[in-house]
Amino acid sequence: ETGVTQTPRHLVMGMTNKKSLKCEQHLGHNAMYWYKQSAKKPLELMFVYSLEERVENNSVPSRFSPECPNSSHLFLHLHTLQPEDSALYLCASSQDLSGGSNEQFFGPGTRLTVL
Amino acid sequence: AQKVTQAQTEISVVEKEDVTLDCVYETRDTTYYLFWYKQPPSGELVFLIRRNSFDEQNEISGRYSWNFQKSTSSFNFTITASQVVDSAVYFCALNPLDTGFQKLVFGTGTRLLVSP
Repeated sequence: ETGVTQTPRHLVMGMTNKKSLKCEQHLGHNAMYWYKQSAKKPLELMFVYSLEERVENNSVPSRFSPECPNSSHLFLHLHTLQPEDSALYLCASSQDLSGGSNEQFFGPGTRLTVL
Repeated sequence: AQKVTQAQTEISVVEKEDVTLDCVYETRDTTYYLFWYKQPPSGELVFLIRRNSFDEQNEISGRYSWNFQKSTSSFNFTITASQVVDSAVYFCALNPLDTGFQKLVFGTGTRLLVSP
């Protein structure tokens, strides 16, 4: 595997379900990100991790719970979601958080539908 | 406030036409980076270019070129002789650096459809 991978690619869940999204980066990067992409809206940054420590929680509801067990893996645990949470969830990584020049590498996303 | 505006929601062109995607940004920071990403139907955003606020030189990479004008806060992207494979959503993004770390502010994207 190369780059940033995400599983599953598609997920349909009910509002009472609990599920998790997984992201893995094979680039040796130290920073990882979760974004939400909804139709007609800009990508919204949700969480930022650097060396497994969360450095940003962008006012995300507690029904989204991130976990970063090591610098290569990032999870997003979902519970009691709402239909408006349906979106494409993108994971990204970058070399680190320093400066602004490091580009972020994105995974293909998980298309989430909440019924 | 940090903001990126991509006023063109969707553009349709015929193959071999040139097309320019507009990007206007707002920031109070004097140091910042601008990016363009391409999102093909497969979903992942693909990095195209990075430009820092002190470098206003235009850049050309094959059929792609970028025009950065600080005076008008614009960072426009031109595809010359478009091809069907260029069909995608293109995002302009700003990293304002006021947070001290990578925090991309994205525009809403421009969907480009290139037909044969």
